[in-house]
Amino acid sequence: EIVLTQSPATLSLSPGERATLSCRASQSISRYLAWYQQKPGQAPRLLIYDASNRATGIPARFSGSGSETDFTLTISSLEPEDFAVYYCQQRGSFGQGTKLEIK
Amino acid sequence: QVHLVQSGAEVKKPGASVKVSCKTSGYTFTSNGISWVRQAPGEGLEWMGWISGYNGLTKYEQKVQGRVTMTTDKATNTAYIEVRSLRSDDTAVYYCARDWGYDILTGNINRGRGGLDVWGQGTTIMVSS
Repeated sequence: EIVLTQSPATLSLSPGERATLSCRASQSISRYLAWYQQKPGQAPRLLIYDASNRATGIPARFSGSGSETDFTLTISSLEPEDFAVYYCQQRGSFGQGTKLEIK
Repeated sequence: QVHLVQSGAEVKKPGASVKVSCKTSGYTFTSNGISWVRQAPGEGLEWMGWISGYNGLTKYEQKVQGRVTMTTDKATNTAYIEVRSLRSDDTAVYYCARDWGYDILTGNINRGRGGLDVWGQGTTIMVSS
């Protein structure tokens, strides 16, 4: 079973700052990793698929990188609406999430 | 436009069963699979499994295998999940989502692309005596 570990658990930043979220897999998953954003009371939203491909309608400030076991989601300049919980997912299981909160 | 519309909230007693539906529209149902994901109150996302819209092939997460059955009805473009022998820790919001991550014929990883790109609104299942 592949385990995804996200870090940090909570990230406190201000609007306009750069956010870097990490996801580490317990074994190689090639580039089969997706990132999601979830706001309270809403279903998750796909941001990135296959490590670095932005989903339809996702702003360019969101970017993904990495391969094998180490992956990163970067938000280049935080907007107020970006404060949410972010999950990574391989083909199947999810990481435990990173909460991005306003500092 | 692609839509996934789920059935309504339910309250069940421990030991009972529940069946949640996910009616799809706006795309060719047999061209994709559907994954089911649940989220317990205040917790993260838990992938439960996947079903092919083409041939009903399934993949279940080990933790729920044996208590969960996923099915489809191609005549109505609807996917279903049934959870049996409900326990209090099955209390959660259950989501269906269109999943590009697996090959609809074989269930192997789809090397072309992945991701759960369209989600249902969620169905709250509460298990309580």
